[in-house]
Amino acid sequence: EPEVTQTPSHQVTQMGQEVILRCVPISNHLYFYWYRQILGQKVEFLVSFYNNEISEKSEIFDDQFSVERPDGSNFTLKIRSTKLEDSAMYFCASLRETQYFGPGTRLLVL
Amino acid sequence: RKEVEQDPGPFNVPEGATVAFNCTYSNSASQSFFWYRQDCRKEPKLLMSVYSSGNEDGRFTAQLNRASQYISLLIRDSKLSDSATYLCVVNGRYSGGGADGLTFGKGTHLIIQP
Repeated sequence: EPEVTQTPSHQVTQMGQEVILRCVPISNHLYFYWYRQILGQKVEFLVSFYNNEISEKSEIFDDQFSVERPDGSNFTLKIRSTKLEDSAMYFCASLRETQYFGPGTRLLVL
Repeated sequence: RKEVEQDPGPFNVPEGATVAFNCTYSNSASQSFFWYRQDCRKEPKLLMSVYSSGNEDGRFTAQLNRASQYISLLIRDSKLSDSATYLCVVNGRYSGGGADGLTFGKGTHLIIQP
């Protein structure tokens, strides 16, 4: 069964550094999403992406965040200057009838 | 503000028992409803969609009450492998997303005891 994949599985970075989280959505899906889950908290929507542009974004998705689909398969989330509070699990998802989630990238900002 | 509220638990239930939990949602415009399951430090996985008429999938039964904005999940003959966090999820579109992100509850933690 096709799956959403994400790399890396874990990322440790220093505050102020840029990070890029990568996702490969399921190939025939059209909508792509990023969510985050701070430890012990609920899963929160960040952004949706369709037809090579952002469809919707939450108030969390500020100017420090950007998304890109640089080629036909990858979907990336960039955090320009990480803060301590960006430490979380970041999930990518893609949609065909329902949303399927990748295994996540655990980001730790020191 | 869109919110989904759940009893966080934990629910400690002996193996073989029936357990039920529920959630409420605040956005009356919500159109699609789901239960996801999340194991510790793993991604959410779709357990089942929830339809207005109620639906069943094996040992799992989901119900939706639009008037009360209330969703329930019933697990019969619980197994040790059912131990997980159950996430109540709603969306503003008829489909499972479209442009809208999913709105998640914080989850109900279920522990099945041998």
